[in-house]
Amino acid sequence: AQKITQTQPGMFVQEKEAVTLDCTYDTSDPSYGLFWYKQPSSGEMIFLIYQGSYDQQNATEGRYSLNFQKARKSANLVISASQLGDSAMYFCAMKEPGRRALTFGSGTRLQVQP
Amino acid sequence: NAGVTQTPKFRVLKTGQSMTLLCAQDMNHEYMYWYRQDPGMGLRLIHYSVGEGTTAKGEVPDGYNVSRLKKQNFLLGLESAAPSQTSVYFCASSTPGTGVVRQPQHFGDGTRLSIL
Repeated sequence: AQKITQTQPGMFVQEKEAVTLDCTYDTSDPSYGLFWYKQPSSGEMIFLIYQGSYDQQNATEGRYSLNFQKARKSANLVISASQLGDSAMYFCAMKEPGRRALTFGSGTRLQVQP
Repeated sequence: NAGVTQTPKFRVLKTGQSMTLLCAQDMNHEYMYWYRQDPGMGLRLIHYSVGEGTTAKGEVPDGYNVSRLKKQNFLLGLESAAPSQTSVYFCASSTPGTGVVRQPQHFGDGTRLSIL
């Protein structure tokens, strides 16, 4: 079974609009962390935002926020007021205590249109 | 503020050749990782290290070896390159931190490797 599922291979959004990128996860650990990374066409992986399983509030970092629904095991990334520079691949990832590394989803390619 | 630096950035090899990818981090992180990224599959862990002199296998270790002789460096070796190893390779590092799941991994810019 997939640990991290990103069901949207590609998304389009108009500049200045908000967009939601979906991520669902599967774990039996009560303690885990969820991360979103951005990968622009230049290739680097940029850390965007983190949500811990015990965090009471949804995480926010500037224009990025995380819609965390623990019971549904979803951690969707919301980008408000999209900019052309937001065009990139976006990866959701999970860290479980028993695993040393992150488990990544297959990514969503976001294209922001002027 | 270099962070995580990977060399080389691009390389083309012939089947059967060997090479070493170098990863260097200047953040004094204990943990280092090597991932590969293939189209439509996200990143998969090849090997990792939790400290100088220690390494362990990840999800897809076959055909690769690693060494962590110095805390700041993590080397990934291909002994006999195969076309199936054509991929983009990412190195990452992190600190254990106070919360085992909380610390983000910091990535290098990647190495694009083609095996002909």
